[in-house]
Amino acid sequence: GQNIDQPTEMTATEGAIVQINCTYQTSGFNGLFWYQQHAGEAPTFLSYNVLDGLEEKGRFSSFLSRSKGYSYLLLKELQMKDSASYLCAVVDSNYQLIWGAGTKLIIKP
Amino acid sequence: GAVVSQHPSRVICKSGTSVKIECRSLDFQATTMFWYRQFPKQSLMLMATSNEGSKATYEQGVEKDKFLINHASLTLSTLTVTSAHPEDSSFYICSAKTGSVEQYFGPGTRLTVT
Repeated sequence: GQNIDQPTEMTATEGAIVQINCTYQTSGFNGLFWYQQHAGEAPTFLSYNVLDGLEEKGRFSSFLSRSKGYSYLLLKELQMKDSASYLCAVVDSNYQLIWGAGTKLIIKP
Repeated sequence: GAVVSQHPSRVICKSGTSVKIECRSLDFQATTMFWYRQFPKQSLMLMATSNEGSKATYEQGVEKDKFLINHASLTLSTLTVTSAHPEDSSFYICSAKTGSVEQYFGPGTRLTVT
């Protein structure tokens, strides 16, 4: 079966750095997305990785290792507004999005 | 660009009535639209995939006679929850894509069935 694993909840301090991991086993791979979702709102796009390596975009970076079935989202200089759920989603061989359950990130002052 | 709207944003209806939710791609033509449901503190659950002009493909366990999907044009898809019950109360989100991989999400519709 297809499976996406990410931690249920993480806590970090304002100004710090946090890494949210995602491991996957899917039928085929056509890329991996990270989305941010604030409570009561729809997901918003953060990053898309299809090749191995690190993609940096401002305070957020995303890393992918296809051989290990592994990705992480790195958030630097954490701000209170970064408190949200972070969803990892993999595009499978049928170009369907397979969603992880999301990681709730709590930022403390 | 790539804006998707949903209407209404919130709806409260009585048990047994039907509710229609619209999803529109405002500045692009969506070859495929997706409908998701999300219960509190849970991840998105794909309900169905619809392509313009053809019948929707429903995920296992989703009743197609209860959740009617119409993708009448390249910019509009509708989800009708028929004979709604309190257990149908949820956050319904649509997304749309063109030929690219990325899906663009609507803002969601909060349905409460009393």
